Amino acid sequence: SQTIHQWPATLVQPVGSPLSLECTVEGTSNPNLYWYRQAAGRGLQLLFYSVGIGQISSEVPQNLSASRPQDRQFILSSKKLLLSDSGFYLCAWSVTGHPYEQYFGPGTRLTVT
Amino acid sequence: KNEVEQSPQNLTAQEGEFITINCSYSVGISALHWLQQHPGGGIVSLFMLSSGKKKHGRLIATINIQEKHSSLHITASHPRDSAVYICAVSFNTDKLIFGTGTRLQVFP
Repeated sequence: SQTIHQWPATLVQPVGSPLSLECTVEGTSNPNLYWYRQAAGRGLQLLFYSVGIGQISSEVPQNLSASRPQDRQFILSSKKLLLSDSGFYLCAWSVTGHPYEQYFGPGTRLTVT
Repeated sequence: KNEVEQSPQNLTAQEGEFITINCSYSVGISALHWLQQHPGGGIVSLFMLSSGKKKHGRLIATINIQEKHSSLHITASHPRDSAVYICAVSFNTDKLIFGTGTRLQVFP
């Protein structure tokens, strides 16, 4: 069966510090991968999605970047965090050819202080 | 602009009540999703539907394509149903557009 992992689960970082959030998927090959952010009181917003290794599409200009160094690994990064980067970050995957059904990871709650 | 609107934003109920959450969208879609977000933040996909009606346990989801509207019903609600329920739609792409969610609290 397929599983999706995210870590860390919670993170408190000072403004200006770097960020690295990791997402890995098991039990499937060549998934589509997604990073979402949920700011306090707001809906989920798609940040990045990837259809393959090294292929990243950015949906919203921001202080963040994403990379996909391996087929089932998706990383969200920042060189210098801003207060506005605080939120709940969710990784999701879908089967290539079946993009409408997405499966979500447990999420990472990031607080920038 | 593609928009997804949910109502109500907040909902409280007594245990056992029948609950309805509504979702409307502005243009034609490929599929509509109902998701449940637990207090800890984790999200579970409840339904994906493009027409008609689906049922799983005490949960029922319906969609009316012509009216661009979907409803999520919970029968015999229970405190463990307390969560945020999120509607999301896809438009022939691999991207989802999310509503802002409905926060449900069911009291014993």
